[in-house]
Amino acid sequence: DGGITQSPKYLFRKEGQNVTLSCEQNLNHDAMYWYRQDPGQGLRLIYYSQIVNDFQKGDIAEGYSVSREKKESFPLTVTSAQKNPTAFYLCASRQAGTGDNEQFFGPGTRLTVL
Amino acid sequence: AQSVAQPEDQVNVAEGNPLTVKCTYSVSGNPYLFWYVQYPNRGLQFLLKYITGDNLVKGSYGFEAEFNKSQTSFHLKKPSALVSDSALYFCAVRDPPPLYNFNKFYFGSGTKLNVKP
Repeated sequence: DGGITQSPKYLFRKEGQNVTLSCEQNLNHDAMYWYRQDPGQGLRLIYYSQIVNDFQKGDIAEGYSVSREKKESFPLTVTSAQKNPTAFYLCASRQAGTGDNEQFFGPGTRLTVL
Repeated sequence: AQSVAQPEDQVNVAEGNPLTVKCTYSVSGNPYLFWYVQYPNRGLQFLLKYITGDNLVKGSYGFEAEFNKSQTSFHLKKPSALVSDSALYFCAVRDPPPLYNFNKFYFGSGTKLNVKP
């Protein structure tokens, strides 16, 4: 999973709470991504950022928020507005600027709502 | 919009036999195609990619993929499967530049590969 760390590995949330998932990369990549993975549904894009202080909504952004204040960090907040947040969350990064660079993924955070 | 389809939820193969995991795509313009593998409770690992050039792409762990433009396919293959290849495999496509969302990737739903001894 080289160069990208996600914490915590497991996270438990009570209904009505906001929680923040951490994603840090030391690869000096410009672009960073957050995906949600549910069984049988593959990866769905929540938010992505192509540069510091800029980010775009993905396909399922409702109930989530992000910030990109530093190049190496892209935290994801799961708000109480997200009705079904139990899932596996994956962060990724890639070097922008050329067309063919692949994404590098972190080890993931498994969020469970109690 | 760009998309990929993985028509098989699961593929079963005996160790030592060749394996194929299927992927078809729908894109406007020339596709940028990728394969990733995921082991349980882990992040995705990059296997290989097709950007341009030779239609047969070789990647990590002995995997290869064949790009077929007329069939809009990018199937993942390996001549001899190992039990350790058992994992979840994802095909992905992205917009080529200079399309606006060229940093955005679109993933298939995944195919679970089971290799039996």
